[in-house]
Amino acid sequence: DTGVSQDPRHKITKRGQNVTFRCDPISEHNRLYWYRQTLGQGPEFLTYFQNEAQLEKSRLLSDRFSAERPKGSFSTLEIQRTEQGDSAMYLCASSLAGKYNEQFFGPGTRLTVL
Amino acid sequence: DAKTTQPNSMESNEEEPVHLPCNHSTISGTDYIHWYRQLPSQGPEYVIHGLTSNVNNRMASLAIAEDRKSSTLILHRATLRDAAVYYCIPLGGGSNYKLTFGKGTLLTVNP
Repeated sequence: DTGVSQDPRHKITKRGQNVTFRCDPISEHNRLYWYRQTLGQGPEFLTYFQNEAQLEKSRLLSDRFSAERPKGSFSTLEIQRTEQGDSAMYLCASSLAGKYNEQFFGPGTRLTVL
Repeated sequence: DAKTTQPNSMESNEEEPVHLPCNHSTISGTDYIHWYRQLPSQGPEYVIHGLTSNVNNRMASLAIAEDRKSSTLILHRATLRDAAVYYCIPLGGGSNYKLTFGKGTLLTVNP
């Protein structure tokens, strides 16, 4: 399967713990995006990489959140000191650079903070 | 970002056409109109996009009003697999990489 993969698919953690999610984009895609989706809402943009450079971070991405994309391949999203409000689906997408190229989404990681 | 208005929900019968409307009256002249859909328990998937002319692909057709203030996604023969939330997203300008999803339209397809 050459689609976008995310790991883990589900994560349950206690408030205050740190969690890390991984995203493997489609191999030739140089753009990678993270979105967050809460129940009943559409996904919200968090951050975006072109190759290894993080080019934009949403105001939603507090200091407790950090994302990396070493070597422009896979990406990780870490949340430190999780809060109950962080419970959501975290979606990763990738695309080729260029205007209006379609984004291919992974299945998401569902985070539950107890 | 241009604001969009879509019905919260719509219902269709299997094998009938479905017309999903979207109002985007504040769209800029260079924004493309993208449609994505999200099946239950999956990430969103691209459906179609266009600028001014009507567009067709294997999944759907996109009809864009002449003033570009609205568009309609057309599924020619709905199947049960088309049951999903459909999002209309103007995209362009300096943020042509960032999808801004609204709440979308939940399409129910009856057998």
